[in-house]
Amino acid sequence: GQQVMQIPQYQHVQEGEDFTTYCNSSTTLSNIQWYKQRPGGHPVFLIQLVKSGEVKKQKRLTFQFGEAKKNSSLHITATQTTDVGTYFCAGPSMRFGAGTRLTVKP
Amino acid sequence: GAVVSQHPSWVICKSGTSVKIECRSLDFQATTMFWYRQFPKQSLMLMATSNEGSKATYEQGVEKDKFLINHASLTLSTLTVTSAHPEDSSFYICSAAGSMHVGDTQYFGPGTRLTVL
Repeated sequence: GQQVMQIPQYQHVQEGEDFTTYCNSSTTLSNIQWYKQRPGGHPVFLIQLVKSGEVKKQKRLTFQFGEAKKNSSLHITATQTTDVGTYFCAGPSMRFGAGTRLTVKP
Repeated sequence: GAVVSQHPSWVICKSGTSVKIECRSLDFQATTMFWYRQFPKQSLMLMATSNEGSKATYEQGVEKDKFLINHASLTLSTLTVTSAHPEDSSFYICSAAGSMHVGDTQYFGPGTRLTVL
């Protein structure tokens, strides 16, 4: 099945700084999904990207799908303490990347 | 939004016993359910994909005779950990999707923490 690699594994930022996590696949993905898991919680669906070069925004979150549909990124502008958690990408096979754990220092 | 429940939320059992975990979609019909396992501070590992009325598809390395999955209705899937051992202790999470079309949004249950003594 299609596997996705995710980096970085951890990211610690000062509140107000930006944050980006990346997902990469060796094969073309028909779609990619992003999830957020708060500490002690379960994953919550954020968005699905389907089209080549697609860019979607949710307030301070910007999601991109690469032109070749082999990579994707999630960018958070001006992080807040409420952004703390682990962000996962998942390919169409529903297999998750390793996740990026974000901590935010107030 | 769609709600998925899991029961129990936590369970402690003795080594050698079997434990059943239920996953229910409360307000939608889930033709596909997924079972994951998550170790502390690690990613979710897909164990199996379950389609209503058919046998589950297990991921490589997951013992189907140890982790029995039954998706008997459009709102209920169960995972039974048979003859549990301490190494089976983990956080088990299910998710449900509204159709078999790949890429449909998954809605996750709150998870079940299993501790095997």
